[in-house]
Amino acid sequence: DVQMTQSPSSLSASVGDRVTITCRASQSITIYLNWYQQKPGNPPKLLIYAASSLQSGVPSRFSGSGSGTDFALTISSLQPEDFATYYCQQTSSTPITFGQGTRLEIK
Amino acid sequence: QVQLVESGGGVVQPGRSLRLSCAASGFTFSSYGMHWVRQAPGKGLEWVAVIWYDGNNKNYADSVKGRFTISRDNSKNTLSLQMNSLRADDTAVYYCARDKVDHAGELDYWGQGTLVTVSS
Repeated sequence: DVQMTQSPSSLSASVGDRVTITCRASQSITIYLNWYQQKPGNPPKLLIYAASSLQSGVPSRFSGSGSGTDFALTISSLQPEDFATYYCQQTSSTPITFGQGTRLEIK
Repeated sequence: QVQLVESGGGVVQPGRSLRLSCAASGFTFSSYGMHWVRQAPGKGLEWVAVIWYDGNNKNYADSVKGRFTISRDNSKNTLSLQMNSLRADDTAVYYCARDKVDHAGELDYWGQGTLVTVSS
């Protein structure tokens, strides 16, 4: 199975900050990497697919990069509604696996 | 608009069975792969299973293989998850989710989830 490791596990930041969350795969997954945002009591929401493609309706302050084993999700200017937990997900091979999550909190 | 509504969750004793359903609407159900993803209380996301658009291919997480069965009825726009031999570590919110591209794993719509609690 492909193991996905996110860092950091938690992060405190302020509105307006630029934030980057990283995700490392245990083997190459080319660009089969997606990012999700989850707020308490709600299902996950797809933000980025295929490593860097912005899902329809997602604000342009979200961006994704990387290929192979190293990936990043960047939020260019944090907004109050962005405080949530973020998950990466690999779909290169089954079983599909998720990272452990990164909790983004207000400083 | 796309809607996915799960049902069938509840409290069940270890070793017993439970069947979850997901009613889909607002899109051509028979054209999309569908997934189940679960989340134990306070924990992260765990992929459970996928079924391709036509139901001819399925894949499972190792943790549920041989115990869970994913199926679909394209005539009724319904996805199901038959869960047998349930264990305490199956306790979770179970989400059904639509795949953007059949079985690519890009999950663009999710239901609100149904809670399964396995406890004696």
